[in-house]
Amino acid sequence: KAGVTQTPRYLIKTRGQQVTLSCSPISGHRSVSWYQQTPGQGLQFLFEYFSETQRNKGNFPGRFSGRQFSNSRSEMNVSTLELGDSALYLCASSLGTAGTDTQYFGPGTRLTVL
Amino acid sequence: GNSVTQMEGPVTLSEEAFLTINCTYTATGYPSLFWYVQYPGEGLQLLLKATKADDKGSNKGFEATYRKETTSFHLEKGSVQVSDSAVYFCALGVFSGGYNKLIFGAGTRLAVHP
Repeated sequence: KAGVTQTPRYLIKTRGQQVTLSCSPISGHRSVSWYQQTPGQGLQFLFEYFSETQRNKGNFPGRFSGRQFSNSRSEMNVSTLELGDSALYLCASSLGTAGTDTQYFGPGTRLTVL
Repeated sequence: GNSVTQMEGPVTLSEEAFLTINCTYTATGYPSLFWYVQYPGEGLQLLLKATKADDKGSNKGFEATYRKETTSFHLEKGSVQVSDSAVYFCALGVFSGGYNKLIFGAGTRLAVHP
């Protein structure tokens, strides 16, 4: 079974631009979560989608948004990029329906904002 | 609230040494516990998990036991290899309000020398 895939793997943008990252979950998984990883803040939860609905959101500004499609693929968007948005963005998928659910992570997208 | 505390790194060991990385948690309810590993330039890989008290998770020679009485989930390996050099994350899986959320520790960097 194929794992979680994320595209692109690397991105370089300038301040003020916007960016869209994509995540394809493991086949059969309906939940997709997004995390931001930085050296200073560690791993921080952004949001989680299940069956095209955002179920949970972390403490990030409204510039960070996401969506999920009917095939469970998800995208996240960051508008008006700031230098502090430079990070590794990780996507994780899971079944999303049980308390003992396990999240499986993709390789991440490395975003650099200049 | 829910939180995870890991021992600070880096941890530096010689090959074939015994490894312990401490992890303690604070949680309400009955969380699942996970160890993830991140190799340089990659995403997170699930190393092992335990879903209830006294469960032992194991994989690739690594073990961790879910200790509810001490709220701990320490990671151990009897004989480390250079290829085990990575960052290890302890995580708490909380199922609340119909969704799963992972809460991560800060991560512990392990360096194994020949």
